Amino acid sequence: GESVGLHLPTLSVQEGDNSIINCAYSNSASDYFIWYKQESGKGPQFIIDIRSNMDKRQGQRVTVLLNKTVKHLSLQIAATQPGDSAVYFCAENTGTYKYIFGTGTRLKVLA
Amino acid sequence: DAGITQSPRHKVTETGTPVTLRCHQTENHRYMYWYRQDPGHGLRLIHYSYGVKDTDKGEVSDGYSVSRSKTEDFLLTLESATSSQTSVYFCAISSTDYNEQFFGPGTRLTVL
Repeated sequence: GESVGLHLPTLSVQEGDNSIINCAYSNSASDYFIWYKQESGKGPQFIIDIRSNMDKRQGQRVTVLLNKTVKHLSLQIAATQPGDSAVYFCAENTGTYKYIFGTGTRLKVLA
Repeated sequence: DAGITQSPRHKVTETGTPVTLRCHQTENHRYMYWYRQDPGHGLRLIHYSYGVKDTDKGEVSDGYSVSRSKTEDFLLTLESATSSQTSVYFCAISSTDYNEQFFGPGTRLTVL
């Protein structure tokens, strides 16, 4: 079943293309950020994180970019696959134990 | 799900009844959290624990209480469930208070 909002922004990409998902964060003092993937009916799954002393970090097929000047975070997924279809959301750490989570973007991969 | 289980996975209850949700971890992580997830909202923190018997309130704690008597278990109790507590509840764990949180599979709670 659905565990997030029914009217999320949706990004549709062709299988094999690259995907870029964006997130605007709210607190200029936030210094740690996480991207999560959430499939329908499941819990959020950690994808990649980045600290504010970096502006780019790469994982396996994923890259996170951080622009502190405009408080913007992006997740790039290379060679998008059907298994990448999910809701993606960012989280910012605003202090001890405290995270602000975005509502997310739905990624649809078209065959 | 990083060694985290939640029980029950689904529950339907009536307004005014008490409900307890359980989170169990096998990672021996010190920090545990309870969140709720609702349409149009990001995950919101209900309560968290930074050790056995050490808990504190999150941003939406009204109507909820928690207990942690063992490292591996974190219980969330709705003393008297209301329809506004219909939600999906997620437990999360982390090894420190400043790194990634790993989430359980969730509990879908419906209060009629």
